[in-house]
Amino acid sequence: ELKVEQNPLFLSMQEGKNYTIYCNYSTTSDRLYWYRQDPGKSLESLFVLLSNGAVKQEGRLMASLDTKARLSTLHITAAVHDLSATYFCAARNTDKLIFGTGTRLQVFP
Amino acid sequence: DTGVSQDPRHKITKRGQNVTFRCDPISEHNRLYWYRQTLGQGPEFLTYFQNEAQLEKSRLLSDRFSAERPKGSFSTLEIQRTEQGDSAMYLCASSPLDQQYFGPGTRLTVT
Repeated sequence: ELKVEQNPLFLSMQEGKNYTIYCNYSTTSDRLYWYRQDPGKSLESLFVLLSNGAVKQEGRLMASLDTKARLSTLHITAAVHDLSATYFCAARNTDKLIFGTGTRLQVFP
Repeated sequence: DTGVSQDPRHKITKRGQNVTFRCDPISEHNRLYWYRQTLGQGPEFLTYFQNEAQLEKSRLLSDRFSAERPKGSFSTLEIQRTEQGDSAMYLCASSPLDQQYFGPGTRLTVT
């Protein structure tokens, strides 16, 4: 059974600092997704990673995938307050997504 | 068409009542998914359709839950004899292939 774990579960970081969120999954998956969720809102798609070694970047966020290690990372560069949200990774199992428990990110001045 | 829409956005019901939610996917997306999210957790898969065919159902989907997608367009999720444990955000997503686009969700509160 595919399981997805994220760490840390909560991250408080100062503006301008860098940090990485880690996502481990337990069995083979051919797609890895990152989503953002603001309080009370739905999920906004950030990245879809399709193959080993895939790297995608959008603004201050960069995601990568290592299928051999079953690990994806979401790197935050020079954090700003607007990035405060909960970030979920999800691995695809057949056609459905299995989500991690999320990383709640809080960026303070 | 700006995205996946869900109706209602909020529903408060008394325990034992039946509720039905609707999801309208992005046009021409042949796959439609239902997930449930409780506070502080990630979404959990419930069921999905490819066109009008329901291809997979989670063990979470008890016999009180039923979903349909007539004609492969909108979908409905019905919960019969609601229980307090059904209180959650019910999310719908549609997909053309790889990417799943989520709707705003229906927040259900069972009192």
